[in-house]
Amino acid sequence: SQKIEQNSEALNIQEGKTATLTCNYTNYSPAYLQWYRQDPGRGPVFLLLIRENEKEKRKERLKVTFDTTLKQSLFHITASQPADSATYLCALVSGYSTLTFGKGTMLLVSP
Amino acid sequence: DTGVSQDPRHKITKRGQNVTFRCDPISEHNRLYWYRQTLGQGPEFLTYFQNEAQLEKSRLLSDRFSAERPKGSFSTLEIQRTEQGDSAMYLCASSVNPGRQPSFSYNEQFFGPGTRLTVL
Repeated sequence: SQKIEQNSEALNIQEGKTATLTCNYTNYSPAYLQWYRQDPGRGPVFLLLIRENEKEKRKERLKVTFDTTLKQSLFHITASQPADSATYLCALVSGYSTLTFGKGTMLLVSP
Repeated sequence: DTGVSQDPRHKITKRGQNVTFRCDPISEHNRLYWYRQTLGQGPEFLTYFQNEAQLEKSRLLSDRFSAERPKGSFSTLEIQRTEQGDSAMYLCASSVNPGRQPSFSYNEQFFGPGTRLTVL
């Protein structure tokens, strides 16, 4: 069956460090993979998209990699700040151009 | 505010009652999506529209769930005969048809704040 897996436990890091979140998937052949941020009680906010033929995408302090052989995406936040604390969701674009989300990983950045 | 809006933000109802939620997408967006999110889970896709056409509805959770977008603008999601298991956050999102988007933002979806449903 199709599955998207993200670190189920919260990731705690210190301010200034790089946070790395993992998204693994099985039985998918996604053309695109997206990362969203979600704060408590709010809807997700789009961060980055990466295509299957792209290895890496950057936006300011964010970097996403996509390895279709390993079926894995890594999401990095460099120079993390307490304001980066949130839940980060990866999502695959499946048929009908709809999104299938993972459960998300909570990131906690302490000062 | 020109983002996606949802109404109401919170709804408490008794089991067996019908509820209806409204979503107003970003005005130039022709695609509209509904998701359900329970605690500790990611959003779960329910259905989506392109303009007024409902292009995918097989993922609606049961025949108690229905959605409309009569004029291709706002949409409603109705749950009939609510059950306690329907308690969740119901999210709406909108996007531009991917064929009309800049390539870097393919199918970027803009989410509303959600409607929190509690069924007693």
